[in-house]
Order: sequence, then C-alpha cells, then structure tokens
Amino acid sequence: GEDVEQSLFLSVREGDSSVINCTYTDSSSTYLYWYKQEPGAGLQLLTYIFSNMDMKQDQRLTVLLNKKDKHLSLRIADTQTGDSAIYFCAESMKTGTASKLTFGTGTRLQVTL
Amino acid sequence: EAGVTQSPTHLIKTRGQQATLRCSPISGHTSVYWYQQALGLGLQFLLWYDEGEERNRGNFPPRFSGRQFPNYSSELNVNALELEDSALYLCASSALGAALHEQFFGPGTRLTVL
Repeated sequence: GEDVEQSLFLSVREGDSSVINCTYTDSSSTYLYWYKQEPGAGLQLLTYIFSNMDMKQDQRLTVLLNKKDKHLSLRIADTQTGDSAIYFCAESMKTGTASKLTFGTGTRLQVTL
Repeated sequence: EAGVTQSPTHLIKTRGQQATLRCSPISGHTSVYWYQQALGLGLQFLLWYDEGEERNRGNFPPRFSGRQFPNYSSELNVNALELEDSALYLCASSALGAALHEQFFGPGTRLTVL
C-alpha cells in the first residue's frame, strides 16, 4: 500500500523538544522528507534525508531514519511558538517511469507557553 | 522572485457543478503538480504536468482533469462535484529535471462543495 502514517496531534511546552514520528511503506524510497504547513501558507520543505543515511542534523532539527523499521522521526530542539504548524513526512515513490511524493496525514504541533 | 500563485483563494460550489482552479508556477519552472489535502487524509497526489503534457496521475476518477498552457500555468478542473471533493488543493512547481524535494508549493485554493 501507499500509506504513510503519522500521529495526528502533538502538544509540547515552549523550550521543550518535540519529536514527530512517521512510518512509511516503500523500502526503495530514495529520499524522505519533512514539510511544514502554517495556516494560510503552502508547504515549506524543512529538511530531507537520503535513504542511505541514519541521521541528519540541521540547526534545531534532527532527522532520524530507521530503514529496518521504515520509521522516520523529526526532532525539534527548543521548540518555539513559531513552530506551531502541521508537519508532514513524505517519501518518494516510483510509479512506472515517474516518481511522486507520497505524504502522510500530517501531525499538528501545538506549542504552549 | 514571485512564488507559486494560485487562484481563487476560496471557491464555493454546489454538488454537480464544475470547478476550475488555476496555478502559475515560478518563472522558469516547467513542471506543475496538483495535490488534494482533504481533512484527515493528508496530501494526495493528483496530477503532474510537464512541458504541456500529463506525466503522472494519482488515484482519482476521470472527473479530475487538467491541462498545462504554453506559459506553463495550469488549470485543474473538477467536474460533477461531490461533497467529498471539499478540500484544499495545492499546486507546486519545479524546474526541469529537479528532484522531488525541489517542488515549491503555492498557498492553495480551498474548495467547498455544498
């Protein structure tokens, strides 16, 4: 199947770390991605990771990839109120000769004071 | 540099009507992608156009169709609207040969079917 699964909601206090989890299906995915969607805005690519990597760090963001379990996570350190948004993980999936992005259902992150 | 633009911002239709959504890609981008974001379903890939041709299609019925014009802008048409077509429709564009993560998204058109 093409299901990319995420939990729907996460609430954290400002200053704490947030961890958003995702499970994907296609073991042949070349890249895995994290996108952020703020109200009234389109999707913004946050970061991506090659499938042959286990971890990628980019400032406050850390992506962990467990290929065996097809599990992807995004850790946001020192979460701020501006991080409140919906976060989507996505995998690249081949369909015939083309590839497409398959997105998860999104996790709404709420940051409280 | 202007980003991806979509019009209208909001669209309200009734069941059975047709909806037309428009997308203008970033200047120089030749590929346009359409996605449907329905409540609780995440983003579903709809269509991919490049150089005026449909390159790939998601699991949607034929009443979802579109086209890409010579200036690379694109239209998404939804015929015989159903209540479950209510969603945010996102358009993205990318340059020729770009990797999938080099898609840039527009703000979307929210379609409400009554």
